[in-house]
Amino acid sequence: EVHLAQPGAEVKKPGESLKISCKGSGYNFTSYWIGWVRQMPGKGLEWMGVIHPGDSDTRYSPSFQGQVTISADKSISTAYLQWSSLKASDTAIYYCARQLPCTGGYCYPYYFDSWGQGTLVTVSS
Amino acid sequence: QTVVTQEPSFSVSPGGTVTLTCGLSSGSVSTTYYPSWYQQTPGQAPRTLIYSTNSRSSGVPDRFSGSLLGNKAALTITGAQADDESDYYCMLYMGSGISVFGGGTKLTVL
Repeated sequence: EVHLAQPGAEVKKPGESLKISCKGSGYNFTSYWIGWVRQMPGKGLEWMGVIHPGDSDTRYSPSFQGQVTISADKSISTAYLQWSSLKASDTAIYYCARQLPCTGGYCYPYYFDSWGQGTLVTVSS
Repeated sequence: QTVVTQEPSFSVSPGGTVTLTCGLSSGSVSTTYYPSWYQQTPGQAPRTLIYSTNSRSSGVPDRFSGSLLGNKAALTITGAQADDESDYYCMLYMGSGISVFGGGTKLTVL
């Protein structure tokens, strides 16, 4: 069974750095794209970016390019989302999810299938 | 920047049928956008309902179906139940690895 494990919550102050994780299990982590989604309080879902852990190919939404960094360590089946200097407006739930499909021996990031439970990031002084 | 549009809210009677749509601020949605649909109830992670326009995700009841309707993608719920009351989001693949969510539709069953 595919499982994506995320920490439940992080509390930080403005200006601090943060790196949250998403550990995959139950499938070949190296082959499938992992995407990140933001949900600000009371708001909708926003697609942030995606990474292919096998070769670290990373794509960002123009809205998030330069604001966050997505990375992965395939040796421990874990993807990351990080900030160098948090702002109060970064307060949100962040979900990771596996993107599909896979055809002809390669996987593409067209849609999500399995989701993590989300990490609530609170940035407050 | 292209915006993905959804109805902000919709209501349906129990047992009724409702169709939610997903469009583009410019242009038409086609299968090459690989439209997908997600359901989210308060306090929960999203759940995948439909992918690639009309394929149902594992475990999703067959009262949920996806299609193209005119120049939009559509999610139809047939025989709505009380626990279908949720937020529904569509997502479109824009190419070059980039996807965009619509603003979401809040569905009320009453």
